[in-house]
Amino acid sequence: DAGVTQSPTHLIKTRGQHVTLRCSPISGHKSVSWYQQVLGQGPQFIFQYYEKEERGRGNFPDRFSARQFPNYSSELNVNALLLGDSALYLCASSASGGGHLRGQYFGPGTRLTVT
Amino acid sequence: DAKTTQPPSMDCAEGRAANLPCNHSTISGNEYVYWYRQIHSQGPQYIIHGLKNNETNEMASLIITEDRKSSTLILPHATLRDTAVYYCIVSATAAGNKLTFGGGTRVLVKP
Repeated sequence: DAGVTQSPTHLIKTRGQHVTLRCSPISGHKSVSWYQQVLGQGPQFIFQYYEKEERGRGNFPDRFSARQFPNYSSELNVNALLLGDSALYLCASSASGGGHLRGQYFGPGTRLTVT
Repeated sequence: DAKTTQPPSMDCAEGRAANLPCNHSTISGNEYVYWYRQIHSQGPQYIIHGLKNNETNEMASLIITEDRKSSTLILPHATLRDTAVYYCIVSATAAGNKLTFGGGTRVLVKP
């Protein structure tokens, strides 16, 4: 089975622009979470969606938004990009909304560079 | 979520056991201990988790002290491919799938 997939792999944007990142969870997984990882730091939680509803939100500004589709894939949108938004954006999927099974499965990430 | 403290880095010899410590002195009764690792340029990978009892799987063993204030991840026979950043995380069921990552321990396995 395919793991978590994310697209695009790399992206370069200019300050003020908007970006959409995409994630496809493992087949059968209904929960998708998004994380931001700035170089040299651990990932920081942005959002969790389960069954198309938001289940959790981290300490990120309203410029960040997300949604989950009926097929459980997800998009992360970031508006009015800042230089500080440059990071690796990770998507993770799990079978349930409260992850005490085999943990979460992470995708390879999307590397976003804002110039 | 309770905070965790890990050494920033450690080296270990290939073929030897690697013991990675983690302190979580403020852990609550409903919080699990999770370990993930992140190999360079990849997404984090789940290793193991536990609540009270020691756990073992094909990748590692997790030893949790009786007072649950600390734990140790054991890689029984470290290989070069185990070189990675290892994260110890505590998380409650109520937190859903939110994981709070700290700085982790950068493990370098040397030949």
